[in-house]
Amino acid sequence: DIQMTQSPSSLYASVGDSVTITCRASQTISTNLNWYQRKPGKAPNLLIYAASSLQSGVPSRFSGSGSGTYFTLTISGLQSEDFATYYCLQSYGFPRTFGHGTKVEIK
Amino acid sequence: EVQLVESGGDLVQPGGSLRLSCVASGFTLSTYSMDWVRQAPGKGLEWLSYIDSSSNPIYYEDSLKGRFTTSRDNAKNSLYLQINSLTAEDTAVYYCARALTSGSGYYMDVWGKGTTVTVSS
Repeated sequence: DIQMTQSPSSLYASVGDSVTITCRASQTISTNLNWYQRKPGKAPNLLIYAASSLQSGVPSRFSGSGSGTYFTLTISGLQSEDFATYYCLQSYGFPRTFGHGTKVEIK
Repeated sequence: EVQLVESGGDLVQPGGSLRLSCVASGFTLSTYSMDWVRQAPGKGLEWLSYIDSSSNPIYYEDSLKGRFTTSRDNAKNSLYLQINSLTAEDTAVYYCARALTSGSGYYMDVWGKGTTVTVSS
């Protein structure tokens, strides 16, 4: 199975900051990597697919990059509604595997 | 409006069984692959299962094989997850999600709000 190592597990930031979350795959997954945002009581929300493609309706302050085994999600200019938990998901093979999540909290 | 609605979650005793349902509206389920994902209290997202639009193939998370069965009835625009031999570790919110496969890869773009399964005596 492909293991996804996501870091950091949590971070504190202020409105307006830029933050970067990373995911490393245990083997190459090309660009088969998605990013989701999860808020309490709500369904996960797709932000980025294919490592760097912005899902329709998602603000452009969210961006993704990477290929192979190393991927990043960057939020440029954090807004109050962005405080949430973020997960990466590899879609290269089965079983699919999520990273363990990064909780972005208010400093 | 494109929507997925899960149901069937309940409080069940250890060893019991449940059948979760997911009904699609606003789109034709038969043209999409689907996934099940869960989140246990205080834990992260866990992928459970994938079912192709034609029900072949079906994949499961390794540790679930034999206890979880995914199926679909495209005529009813519905997806199902049968869970047997429930344990406390199965306590979670269960989500169904629509999967898109394109040249840009594979991703789950529409999710339901989830249904809660609680396993306790």
